[in-house]
Amino acid sequence: DIQLTQSPSSLSASVGDSITITCQASQDISDYLNWYQQRPGKAPRLLIYDASTLETGVPSRFSGSGSGTDFTFTISSLQPEDIATYYCQQYDSLPTFGPGTKVDIK
Amino acid sequence: EVQLVESGGGLVQPGGSLRLSCAASGFTFNSYAMSWVRQAPGKGLEWVSAMSGSGGSTYYADSVKGRFTIFRDNSKNALFLQMNSLRAEDTALYYCTKGLTLMAIDAFDIWGRGTMVIVSS
Repeated sequence: DIQLTQSPSSLSASVGDSITITCQASQDISDYLNWYQQRPGKAPRLLIYDASTLETGVPSRFSGSGSGTDFTFTISSLQPEDIATYYCQQYDSLPTFGPGTKVDIK
Repeated sequence: EVQLVESGGGLVQPGGSLRLSCAASGFTFNSYAMSWVRQAPGKGLEWVSAMSGSGGSTYYADSVKGRFTIFRDNSKNALFLQMNSLRAEDTALYYCTKGLTLMAIDAFDIWGRGTMVIVSS
């Protein structure tokens, strides 16, 4: 199985701040990496697929980059509605998810 | 509107069985792979199983292989998960998800609200 690690596990930032989450794969997964947002009590929502492609309807303040084993997810200007847990997911082999990063507002 | 609605969850004793259902609407069901993803209370996401659009290919996580069976009825736009030999660690909210493209497994772009399975005596 391909393992994904995320850091940090949680973060707190102010409205308008830029935040970055990293996701590291245990082996090369090319760009087969997706990012999801899960707001409290809600189902996950796909934000970015194939490492850097923004899903339709997702605000442009969300972005992703990387390939191989190292990936980043950025929110350029944090908004109150971005309070959520963010997960990366790989599909180079059978899917696995990262442990999640909980984002809060200061 | 693209929609997935799960049903069939509930309380079951260890060793018991349960069948989950997912009703799909708003898209060409037989063109997309479908998956089940679960989330134990307070925990992260775990992919469980997937089936290709035609139903010809199935995939399972090691944690459920040999106990769970995924199947679909494309004439009824429905996905199912037959869960046997249930264990306490199978307790979770089970989500039905749609694949983003025609590939068997890639991104999960549509999610249902989930159905809760509790395995306890």
